[in-house]
Amino acid sequence: GAVVSQHPSWVICKSGTSVKIECRSLDFQATTMFWYRQFPKQSLMLMATSNEGSKATYEQGVEKDKFLINHASLTLSTLTVTSAHPEDSSFYICSTQRTGFGNSNQPQHFGDGTRLSIL
Amino acid sequence: EDKVVQSPLSLVVHEGDTVTLNCSYEVTNFRSLLWYKQEKKAPTFLFMLTSSGIEKKSGRLSSILDKKELSSILNITATQTGDSAIYLCAVKGGSEKLVFGKGTKLTVNP
Repeated sequence: GAVVSQHPSWVICKSGTSVKIECRSLDFQATTMFWYRQFPKQSLMLMATSNEGSKATYEQGVEKDKFLINHASLTLSTLTVTSAHPEDSSFYICSTQRTGFGNSNQPQHFGDGTRLSIL
Repeated sequence: EDKVVQSPLSLVVHEGDTVTLNCSYEVTNFRSLLWYKQEKKAPTFLFMLTSSGIEKKSGRLSSILDKKELSSILNITATQTGDSAIYLCAVKGGSEKLVFGKGTKLTVNP
């Protein structure tokens, strides 16, 4: 069954709107989750690493004030695209990974993604 | 900077054919190489490879890592239309971050 649940799967909204995407780890508690963005015909690009109880770590070139990440519990991370514009239209995917004692070097498991279209 | 290159970028075959997908990488402090299959939605995990020369197998799919050549191959035998997808290769270095290649788009025609 699914390891990661991501909602919503599709969002269409007007320019200037803020959009929140949720990522839930279903199978285990996840101290770390990852947020990726995928443009058409491109590969997945890591945007940020979400850390439970602390600030997210953003990749170079990703605006932290634009893409707000909240990892308030061990099973939920949210990504909020603030004041979204057409250039933010993309496929956003989260992933989780087992960490901690006895779980070194585990694969990441991905949610079904959120297709965001800003008009 | 860590880098993953996949080839070919696109491949069209007929059902029953065998295909080999390639992945080469440059990464600091290599820990693992992963293969994922991406259909319409998010990638699904296929294999994780950490040691050279040990083949991982799942049904008609198999994969092997060559750490000397900094590469891996993914083989699919007796392809079916359901194998049509984008196959992504990713590597993990010193951090937990995955670096993905651009993927190989496989189309299997009936």
